[in-house]
Amino acid sequence: GIQVEQSPPDLILQEGANSTLRCNFSDSVNNLQWFHQNPWGQLINLFYIPSGTKQNGRLSATTVATERYSLLYISSSQTTDSGVYFCAVVFTSGTYKYIFGTGTRLKVLA
Amino acid sequence: EAGVVQSPRYKIIEKKQPVAFWCNPISGHNTLYWYRQNLGQGPELLIRYENEEAVDDSQLPKDRFSAERLKGVDSTLKIQPAELGDSAVYLCASSQYNEQFFGPGTRLTVL
Repeated sequence: GIQVEQSPPDLILQEGANSTLRCNFSDSVNNLQWFHQNPWGQLINLFYIPSGTKQNGRLSATTVATERYSLLYISSSQTTDSGVYFCAVVFTSGTYKYIFGTGTRLKVLA
Repeated sequence: EAGVVQSPRYKIIEKKQPVAFWCNPISGHNTLYWYRQNLGQGPELLIRYENEEAVDDSQLPKDRFSAERLKGVDSTLKIQPAELGDSAVYLCASSQYNEQFFGPGTRLTVL
C-alpha cells in the first residue's frame, strides 16, 4: 500500500553536530513538504520541495523523485532544533491528499 | 501576514458532549484542511475544502463529525457527541497553491 516512511525514528545529537533525516515514499509524488513540529505542537514549514535541492540557513533538503526519497540536512544543530520532523507527500495516483510520514523525533543536547 | 488562526487552543469536555473548533485561514488561501493528530503520530486528513466545496471528506467520521465552510473563508469542525477516542489535536491548514501552512491546533481532551 501507499507508505511514507522516515528514518531514523529517533535521534539524539550534541549541540553543533550535523544530521541527515530521510523520507522514503512508495510511489511517485506531486508535492512534498518538510515540517518541524516544535515541543509546543506547532507545525512549522521548512521546505516545499517536490524535486531538486533547496537551502535555508543551516537547513537544506534534497528530493530525488525518480528514486522516491527526500533528505533533510541539519548542520550545526541547536537545542531549538529539537522536536519532531515530518515529511508529507501527495501521491500522483489517487486523490489529492497529503500523507504524513512516520516522523523523526530529534533531541539536541546542550 | 497573519497565519492560520484557530480557537479554542484547548478544550476539555465530558464524553457525549458536543464540541466545535473554529479556523480562519490565511487571507487569499482557497484551500482549507482539517487534520487530526493523535499522540505520537503524524496528522491525518479529515476533510479538504476548495472554497466552499468539500472535495475530500472520505476520512471524516460522518456519524458524529461535521464541518462547514460558509462563504469560503473560515470553517467550523464539530463533533457531536464526543467519545473518549476523539481526544487528539485538531489542526487546520490552508494553502493557495500546493504549500500548506498550519495553525497552532486545538488540543481536545474528552473525559
